[in-house]
Amino acid sequence: EAQVTQNPRYLITVTGKKLTVTCSQNMNHEYMSWYRQDPGLGLRQIYYSMNVEVTDKGDVPEGYKVSRKEKRNFPLILESPSPNQTSLYFCASSLGSNTGELFFGEGSRLTVL
Amino acid sequence: GQNIDQPTEMTATEGAIVQINCTYQTSGFNGLFWYQQHAGEAPTFLSYNVLDGLEEKGRFSSFLSRSKGYSYLLLKELQMKDSASYLCAVREKAAGNKLTFGGGTRVLVKP
Repeated sequence: EAQVTQNPRYLITVTGKKLTVTCSQNMNHEYMSWYRQDPGLGLRQIYYSMNVEVTDKGDVPEGYKVSRKEKRNFPLILESPSPNQTSLYFCASSLGSNTGELFFGEGSRLTVL
Repeated sequence: GQNIDQPTEMTATEGAIVQINCTYQTSGFNGLFWYQQHAGEAPTFLSYNVLDGLEEKGRFSSFLSRSKGYSYLLLKELQMKDSASYLCAVREKAAGNKLTFGGGTRVLVKP
């Protein structure tokens, strides 16, 4: 089954404790992206990747890192989480940056205390 | 950058029709998407318009006018399961063909 898989789905952590949210897609998509969704603000792009070893900042990249060492994986790293990073996070992928619709993972709800 | 506007909330009756409008401003338009999102779930793709006109897909249709920076999503024969948020998203040529989302329109279908 074609899918985008995120882990963990739910996480409660404390300020400053590094964490990684993994994202994997099995559709051989070139383009991958991370969004956060907050009430009243909608979906905002954090980082995106056009292909392996090619990543770039989205609209709200501060406090986040990403890597794209393999085509299928695009982890989101919070080196030192803060409470304002409490949010619902979605990973998404598409065939290319200009091709096809975005397929979304199920979301990861992160709470930073 | 982009500015995407859509109403915050709409209410309609089961069996009726609802039209959700979306206006946008962008410097390099490269397609408009509509997604459906149920509370706490992932957005799922509904429709895509890149040329002017109407795209019909079963009970859902989407219209685009590039000159007016305007799109609408039409939901016909509303069902209770259509209660969800509907997200308008615009792809812009600059910034890696980024997809920028509007705030979403929450549709409540009443019996």
